[in-house]
Amino acid sequence: DAGVIQSPRHEVTEMGQEVTLRCKPISGHNSLFWYRQTMMRGLELLIYFNNNVPIDDSGMPEDRFSAKMPNASFSTLKIQPSEPRDSAVYFCASSLEGKGTEAFFGQGTRLTVV
Amino acid sequence: RKEVEQDPGPFNVPEGATVAFNCTYSNSASQSFFWYRQDCRKEPKLLMSVYSSGNEDGRFTAQLNRASQYISLLIRDSKLSDSATYLCVVNMYPTGFKTIFGAGTRLFVKA
Repeated sequence: DAGVIQSPRHEVTEMGQEVTLRCKPISGHNSLFWYRQTMMRGLELLIYFNNNVPIDDSGMPEDRFSAKMPNASFSTLKIQPSEPRDSAVYFCASSLEGKGTEAFFGQGTRLTVV
Repeated sequence: RKEVEQDPGPFNVPEGATVAFNCTYSNSASQSFFWYRQDCRKEPKLLMSVYSSGNEDGRFTAQLNRASQYISLLIRDSKLSDSATYLCVVNMYPTGFKTIFGAGTRLFVKA
């Protein structure tokens, strides 16, 4: 298995532009998580899906952020409009629901908004 | 209050030292617990699960105290290669699974 695949690996964009981050979870996993990591705030859970349904989006910072999971093999995190304070590493992770299961991470997308 | 809190660090220790990390969680609905390791500019990866009875994996020992909502990680005989950030992780399942990470504790092991 190729593991969790995220794209792009790096993104540099101008303030005000729309940014779309993509994630392909591990086949068969039914939980998917989006995290944001910064030096100041550490690894923050933004939203998680279970069986393609958003369960908890309380970590989404504001309305500029949205996430979708149209099917079991694909999810997107969109920021519109982007701001410099959105600069961070965004990780996607997936797991197989069940007690004591490991979350597997993608390599992350390093976003820089200038 | 954050749902998972860890020692702020960084910890700077010499090779061969024993170092302990602590973590507390606020939600009693938490059901499973882990320690992850994250190397610089890499993704987090599972180091070990944490069981109520405590568990050991080589130089690493993890403990869980449900009554105090407290998790610990002990590293014995530290190696240079242990230098990384250690993340305390809690799974809660009100509906589906919610995996919450602590902010992490940085460890520097020096020769």
